[in-house]
Amino acid sequence: EAQVTQNPRYLITVTGKKLTVTCSQNMNHEYMSWYRQDPGLGLRQIYYSMNVEVTDKGDVPEGYKVSRKEKRNFPLILESPSPNQTSLYFCASSPNPVRLRYGYTFGSGTRLTVV
Amino acid sequence: EDKVVQSPLSLVVHEGDTVTLNCSYEVTNFRSLLWYKQEKKAPTFLFMLTSSGIEKKSGRLSSILDKKELFSILNITATQTGDSAVYLCAKILLSRRQTGDMRFGAGTRLTVKP
Repeated sequence: EAQVTQNPRYLITVTGKKLTVTCSQNMNHEYMSWYRQDPGLGLRQIYYSMNVEVTDKGDVPEGYKVSRKEKRNFPLILESPSPNQTSLYFCASSPNPVRLRYGYTFGSGTRLTVV
Repeated sequence: EDKVVQSPLSLVVHEGDTVTLNCSYEVTNFRSLLWYKQEKKAPTFLFMLTSSGIEKKSGRLSSILDKKELFSILNITATQTGDSAVYLCAKILLSRRQTGDMRFGAGTRLTVKP
C-alpha cells in the first residue's frame, strides 16, 4: 500500500530533550515536507526537500532540523524542544510538485507535547 | 505575502443542507489550488484546480476556481454526518526555484447534525 508512515503517533517529552520524528514513504516520491498544525493557524510548512541531500526552510523552521540522506526518509529533529513546539506534525510527500496532479500524500500525524 | 483565507471558519448545518465553503488567495506565484478534507487524522485530497471556470465533481462535492477574482468554492450538496470535518484549502506556489510549495488556509470546520 502506498503510504507515508510517521512515528511516533504520540509523544510527550520534556523541554530540552532531543527528539526525532521519523517519516518514510514508499512511493519513490522526490518531494517531502514537514508541516505543523495549530488551532486557527492551519498547516504551516517547517522544512521541505526536493530530493536527496536537498533541503530548504519553509515558513517556520526555527528550532527544527531535517535531513534527506535517502529518498524514502525525511526525519524531523528537535534538538532542544520547547513548549511552543507542542503541536500536531504532518509529513507529506509527492512526485515533483511542479508536475503535481493529485495532491500531496500525508502521513497520519504526530501529536507532540513538550512540557 | 502568499495568504490563503478561508471562510467561514466554522459552520453548523443539518443533514440534507447544501453548503458552500470559500477560499480566497493572493495571486503571487500561483500555480494551482487544492482542497483537502481532514477528519481526526491526516488531510485527504479532494480536488486540484488549475484552470479557471472548470468545475470538478466527485459525488456530492464539487469545486470551481475563479482566477480573475482569486477565489475558489467547495460545494457539498445533501450533506451527511460523515461530511463533518475540517476542509482545508491550499495554494501551490510556483517559486523561482520551482519547488511547488503549498500554503494552507486555516480551514473551515463543518459540523453536520442529524
